[in-house]
Amino acid sequence: EDKVVQSPLSLVVHEGDTVTLNCSYEVTNFRSLLWYKQEKKAPTFLFMLTSSGIEKKSGRLSSILDKKELFSILNITATQTGDSAVYLCASLLIYDKVIFGPGTSLSVIP
Amino acid sequence: NAGVTQTPKFQVLKTGQSMTLQCAQDMNHNSMYWYRQDPGMGLRLIYYSASEGTTDKGEVPNGYNVSRLNKREFSLRLESAAPSQTSVYFCASSVNNQPQHFGDGTRLSIL
Repeated sequence: EDKVVQSPLSLVVHEGDTVTLNCSYEVTNFRSLLWYKQEKKAPTFLFMLTSSGIEKKSGRLSSILDKKELFSILNITATQTGDSAVYLCASLLIYDKVIFGPGTSLSVIP
Repeated sequence: NAGVTQTPKFQVLKTGQSMTLQCAQDMNHNSMYWYRQDPGMGLRLIYYSASEGTTDKGEVPNGYNVSRLNKREFSLRLESAAPSQTSVYFCASSVNNQPQHFGDGTRLSIL
């Protein structure tokens, strides 16, 4: 059975802190790893990772994939209150099937 | 530029009633999906359709049926609603192993 696990499930940090969110996967026919941010409504896309060891960056956010260890991390540096959200990790499989993890709820307090 | 449109946005049903959630996309995407989201559970895949005319079960298909009416539309039907199906339902679409685009969700309560 395909499975995506995230840790921690919730996290509270102060503004300015750096956080690392973890995602591991046990799936068949893996194609890519996806990260999304979800605030009030629909998830919004952050990163898509297909190759191991290549870091993707967008401002203060960055992510990397380890296909040998079946693992990905999402880093957020200098956190702001606007980073408060649920961060979802997902595995994109063959035939476009996408399985999500439970999400990490991040709260950034001033 | 509508993207993925879900209707209705809110619905309250009584146990045993049936209803259909509608989803349409205008991006010419091949793949479409239905997820449910419950507190602390992330998004759980109910059904997906990799192309017009095909549908496949996801992680939690029991109690649901789907129809891929054409390339644009993918509907989700609850034949006999149960309180355990109270949730927020998201439709999504994608093309060629690219990230999904999501609708704004349908909040469904079953009493």
